Amino acid sequence: QQQVKQSPQSLIVQKGGISIINCAYENTAFDYFPWYQQFPGKGPALLIAIRPDVSEKKEGRFTISFNKSAKQFSLHIMDSQPGDSATYFCAAITSGGSYIPTFGRGTSLIVHP
Amino acid sequence: NAGVTQTPKFRILKIGQSMTLQCTQDMNHNYMYWYRQDPGMGLKLIYYSVGAGITDKGEVPNGYNVSRSTTEDFPLRLELAAPSQTSVYFCASSDTGWAPEQFFGPGTRLTVL
Repeated sequence: QQQVKQSPQSLIVQKGGISIINCAYENTAFDYFPWYQQFPGKGPALLIAIRPDVSEKKEGRFTISFNKSAKQFSLHIMDSQPGDSATYFCAAITSGGSYIPTFGRGTSLIVHP
Repeated sequence: NAGVTQTPKFRILKIGQSMTLQCTQDMNHNYMYWYRQDPGMGLKLIYYSVGAGITDKGEVPNGYNVSRSTTEDFPLRLELAAPSQTSVYFCASSDTGWAPEQFFGPGTRLTVL
């Protein structure tokens, strides 16, 4: 049973556009939600993370929106650039519990120049 | 800090051979993990450890073994390599507490022929 559903599987946007990746979870015990960015041939790297006590967190062009009642969270990339082309993973963690992350299946983003 | 380091970067094995993938972290993290990532697929947890001397199976442990004798090191052993073990292997570590996100190593690309 996949506990974190990520969509879309792939995404193509034009330079300057907005990229939106969505994740939905089932386990209400999750209380920490990081996003990772992975470039080809590299390991995933933390991009931005949020806790459910806030509805939005912004770091530069990257924003996480969180909807606790709907059990959904999303990554928005504003003014998308070709350098943003990568695979993005969402994850959910129960801190104070197992701490083992549950990952989404990933979204391959291509930003055309 | 070097973060999470993995060796080797690349390896080709013949069917039936064995090898150990090395992983070291210098962040004093209690939690360490091994994942495999197949092309176009997400991250699958092989084994994890919550501290020195304590390991547990993840989603896909068959054909692998681990040990954790120190906080820093978490080697992954492949016994009797099979073509199905061709993959990219990532080691990761994480802290517990307020920011339990994972830090990933650069990966080991393994081919079994």
